[in-house]
Amino acid sequence: QKEVEQDPGPLSVPEGAIVSLNCTYSNSAFQYFMWYRQYSRKGPELLMYTYSSGNKEDGRFTAQVDKSSKYISLFIRDSQPSDSATYLCAMIKAAGNKLTFGGGTRVLVKP
Amino acid sequence: GAVVSQHPSWVICKSGTSVKIECRSLDFQATTMFWYRQFPKQSLMLMATSNEGSKATYEQGVEKDKFLINHASLTLSTLTVTSAHPEDSSFYICSARDRGLGAYNEQFFGPGTRLTVL
Repeated sequence: QKEVEQDPGPLSVPEGAIVSLNCTYSNSAFQYFMWYRQYSRKGPELLMYTYSSGNKEDGRFTAQVDKSSKYISLFIRDSQPSDSATYLCAMIKAAGNKLTFGGGTRVLVKP
Repeated sequence: GAVVSQHPSWVICKSGTSVKIECRSLDFQATTMFWYRQFPKQSLMLMATSNEGSKATYEQGVEKDKFLINHASLTLSTLTVTSAHPEDSSFYICSARDRGLGAYNEQFFGPGTRLTVL
């Protein structure tokens, strides 16, 4: 069993819809939780990170962490075709540790 | 700030040749650099971690003699794929971080290098 599980998708939504992404993990030692966006044939770019449990909002993006359930989510409001990409969750046990990635979810926002 | 570049962005080589990929931190000193490999429609797999001036630490299953990593300066790390074979074809991505830079010693990723071995 992988440490971090993520549905590969693809997830197809119409423009303007809310995109809902999530990951589950098995190791309770994870403390920092990140979401990366990766366009085809490009490196990942950090969208948001959250420390421990709670919610964090940045523009159209909201990240949620529920450590009791070992479950993290990313919501994208008012989705745009430019949001079409692969979204990777990642987490680390402490600052400076190695990243553990989920498998990534492909998202397609249709005009 | 915190920009990481890779060169080349893509390379095609013949089987049996060696290929060198460069990773540079452009506006910060990278005390640690990471090399990842990514197959199509799959996630990033960490290959090795290198600290400036030290030997790289390879992940289990990664051949250190096959994938040579050098981190000779605080802004440059190189990955050399030696005697490349078609199964080495992949997308190679580096990342870099500096102690204290970013909220959690964040890694900054390069744009990746696509290697195709014929």
